[in-house]
Amino acid sequence: GAGVSQSPRYKVAKRGQDVALRCDPISGHVSLFWYQQALGQGPEFLTYFQNEAQLDKSGLPSDRFFAERPEGSVSTLKIQRTQQEDSAVYLCASSYQRVADTQYFGPGTRLTVL
Amino acid sequence: DQQVKQNSPSLSVQEGRISILNCDYTNSMFDYFLWYKKYPAEGPTFLISISSIKDKNEDGRFTVFLNKSAKHLSLHIVPSQPGDSAVYFCAARSNAGKSTFGDGTTLTVKP
Repeated sequence: GAGVSQSPRYKVAKRGQDVALRCDPISGHVSLFWYQQALGQGPEFLTYFQNEAQLDKSGLPSDRFFAERPEGSVSTLKIQRTQQEDSAVYLCASSYQRVADTQYFGPGTRLTVL
Repeated sequence: DQQVKQNSPSLSVQEGRISILNCDYTNSMFDYFLWYKKYPAEGPTFLISISSIKDKNEDGRFTVFLNKSAKHLSLHIVPSQPGDSAVYFCAARSNAGKSTFGDGTTLTVKP
């Protein structure tokens, strides 16, 4: 398929473990976004890349959260020393060029921290 | 303080009737508004949008209305179909480009 893909789809971690979530955007899309969606709530912005440059990371909730996109395509969201409050669906979206272009979302990774 | 609010967590309508989903916002810097549709286990899908310079945008069965003075927008679906059953998210964006989402309204269209 040509859509945004995310892996793994489900992740269970013990409190204190580190996790890495992967996002493969649509080929050729310049902009990439990460969102966190808690149960019963809407997606909340975490961070934004334009190519390999992380232009906005104002939504990252703590310094345990780190995102990278080293070659301007695949992105990884890493959460260190996971806590129970990190349990959520993590959504990735990409858009063709500008931030204002239509965002295409992946299916998300559901993270459960025990 | 939630800047985008969808006050109705759920809505149920009969097939063929109109569905009206509402959204209120507080930040006057928002200048672009979007509606997304989400099925279970999938990511949100863009549905329709409206710029703050307009008060209405229509696309087939879907129409979005914007009342800037009231900081209110609504999505009308007519006629509603069972396949429209999903969670609908309202989102707002300023020049900075970052989208702020509401908590969603679950629409159920009964055959």
